[in-house]
Amino acid sequence: EVQLVESGGGLVQPGGSLRLSCAASGFTSNTYAFTWVRQAPGKGLEWVSTINTAALTFYADSVKGRFVISRDNSKNTVYLQMNSLRVEDTAVYYCARRGNCGANDRLCFFDFWGQGTLVTVSS
Amino acid sequence: QTVVTQEPSFSVSPGGTVTLTCGLSSGSVSTSHHPSWYQQTPGQTPRSLIYNTNTRSSGVPDRFSGSILGNKAALTITGAQAEDECDYYCVLYMGSGISVFGGGTKLTVL
Repeated sequence: EVQLVESGGGLVQPGGSLRLSCAASGFTSNTYAFTWVRQAPGKGLEWVSTINTAALTFYADSVKGRFVISRDNSKNTVYLQMNSLRVEDTAVYYCARRGNCGANDRLCFFDFWGQGTLVTVSS
Repeated sequence: QTVVTQEPSFSVSPGGTVTLTCGLSSGSVSTSHHPSWYQQTPGQTPRSLIYNTNTRSSGVPDRFSGSILGNKAALTITGAQAEDECDYYCVLYMGSGISVFGGGTKLTVL
């Protein structure tokens, strides 16, 4: 059974840091890309960052320079290091699995999602 | 900055048909954007409905279908049921590793 389990959320002051983890199981994680998606309270879904199978990383403009995504295939875990946190980063952060997105790829979508972890940035 | 547009809200009668759309602030949506659709009930994790424009995810009822209509991606629900009342999001792949979510459509079935 495919499972993605996020952890590491919590309450942090503005300017602080948190590291989220996403533990994958039930499949060969090094053959997939992983994405962090967030949802602020009462708002829609927002793509945050993706790391592909070659460990290339991509970021939304809103987090570029502050967040760092990484993966440890030996631990089947993906991380999101969040620095210089702002009040507007408050959200539930979901980890999602994604296939390749080349021109001829058919699995460029988020097929499995974790349950999410809540990050609250507040003084 | 690319904006993916969706209707903020839509209403459909039980048993009726509704088409939600997913467009771009500039340009047309095509299959090369790998359009995908997700369903989310408040407080729950998003669920994949449609990927690669028109392929249903595992376990998704066949009343859900995806297509390209004109210059937009579209999600059609044929024979809407009460349990279809929730939020729907589209995602477009913009290349260079970047995906963009639409703002979501809140569907009411009444």
